[in-house]
Amino acid sequence: DQQVKQNSPSLSVQEGRISILNCDYTNSMFDYFLWYKKYPAEGPTFLISISSIKDKNEDGRFTVFLNKSAKHLSLHIVPSQPGDSAVYFCAASAGGSEKLVFGKGTKLTVNP
Amino acid sequence: GAGVSQSPRYKVAKRGQDVALRCDPISGHVSLFWYQQALGQGPEFLTYFQNEAQLDKSGLPSDRFFAERPEGSVSTLKIQRTQQEDSAVYLCASSRSGGRWGEQYFGPGTRLTVT
Repeated sequence: DQQVKQNSPSLSVQEGRISILNCDYTNSMFDYFLWYKKYPAEGPTFLISISSIKDKNEDGRFTVFLNKSAKHLSLHIVPSQPGDSAVYFCAASAGGSEKLVFGKGTKLTVNP
Repeated sequence: GAGVSQSPRYKVAKRGQDVALRCDPISGHVSLFWYQQALGQGPEFLTYFQNEAQLDKSGLPSDRFFAERPEGSVSTLKIQRTQQEDSAVYLCASSRSGGRWGEQYFGPGTRLTVT
């Protein structure tokens, strides 16, 4: 049973526009959420995180929004750049645990 | 600085063979994790070390899988009597502290193909 769901396998946007990647979770014990970016043949690299005490965290072009009541988070990339083309994974952990539970990923393509 | 390194990068094993996958974490990182990523899936947790102590091995799929980190730095994931369903990318990650707010840094993975 998937506890972290990324329902869109792929997303395509134009350079300069906003990319919105979505993630839903089912485990109400999750209280820390992260986004990772992965290029082919490389390991995932950390992008941004948010704890459940916040509803928004911003880092440059990347913003993560958390809606705890809906068990939903999203990653906004503004403006999108061709170098952002990668697979994006949403991950979560539950109180006291460092173990991460990942979604299946969304492949983002930013077209020049 | 050096990131997490894994070796070999690619491994082909015949069904029934034993394999050993190595992970060199970032120097000084306390926590080390192993994940398995099947094709088209996200990484799935296998096991976790804090220094040399294996604190969680709940994700190991069977007793054919064994991990160790005897001196609290390099770790080895061993798979005995490999099966075709073991074919996947095995990712190692390390983090700076034992606390849970530290981001995990991933290596490039070892792609295991069992024929």
